[in-house]
Amino acid sequence: QVQLVQSGAEVKKPGSSVKVSCKASGGTFSNYAFSWVRQAPGQGLEWMGGIIPIFDTPRYAQKFQGRVTITTDESTRTVYMELSSLISKDTAVYYCARALGFGEFFDYWGHGTLVTVSS
Amino acid sequence: QPVLTQPPSSSASPGESARLTCTLPSDINVGSYNIYWYQQKPGSPPRYLLYYYSDSDKGRGSGVPSRFSGSKDASANTGILLISGLQSEDEADYYCLIWPSSAYVFGTGTKVTVL
Repeated sequence: QVQLVQSGAEVKKPGSSVKVSCKASGGTFSNYAFSWVRQAPGQGLEWMGGIIPIFDTPRYAQKFQGRVTITTDESTRTVYMELSSLISKDTAVYYCARALGFGEFFDYWGHGTLVTVSS
Repeated sequence: QPVLTQPPSSSASPGESARLTCTLPSDINVGSYNIYWYQQKPGSPPRYLLYYYSDSDKGRGSGVPSRFSGSKDASANTGILLISGLQSEDEADYYCLIWPSSAYVFGTGTKVTVL
């Protein structure tokens, strides 16, 4: 059974960075595309970017280029998302999600990690 | 970044049908893409419902009831999610999703209320 377990909630100051992890268990890891999707309070879903561990070349949404870094650690089956230069509008729940490949549907989702940006 | 437009809300009584739309911008042809649909309930991650490309290329997620179905209206450049025989448990937010130009784009979302 596939599970994506994310790290816990974070409170960050404006201007700082946050790094959220997503540990996958069950099924294979390296051949799937793992994406990060965020959802601000009361708002819709927004794709930030993703990575296929075996290729290790991330793709980012244009909006987040230069501010987000997605990496993987195949030895621990973990995907990371680091977002820098945080502002209050980055306050959101951040989800990791798995797809068979880029362009495919997300079949498994993590439970979400709340990141609060506040001075 | 293209915008996929969904009506903010939709409501229907139990047993009725709810027809949710996802309108693509004019420079993205709905006929060229898989339209994925997700259901999200408060406090939970989205749940994959189905994809629709054509009548011969479509599929539902594991455990998704057959009363959820997809289609397209090419004349309106729109993807459609039909929920037949609406049940109280269908009250949720619904999002469409496509993959144009090497980036995922979610729709704006529709809140479905079961009266």
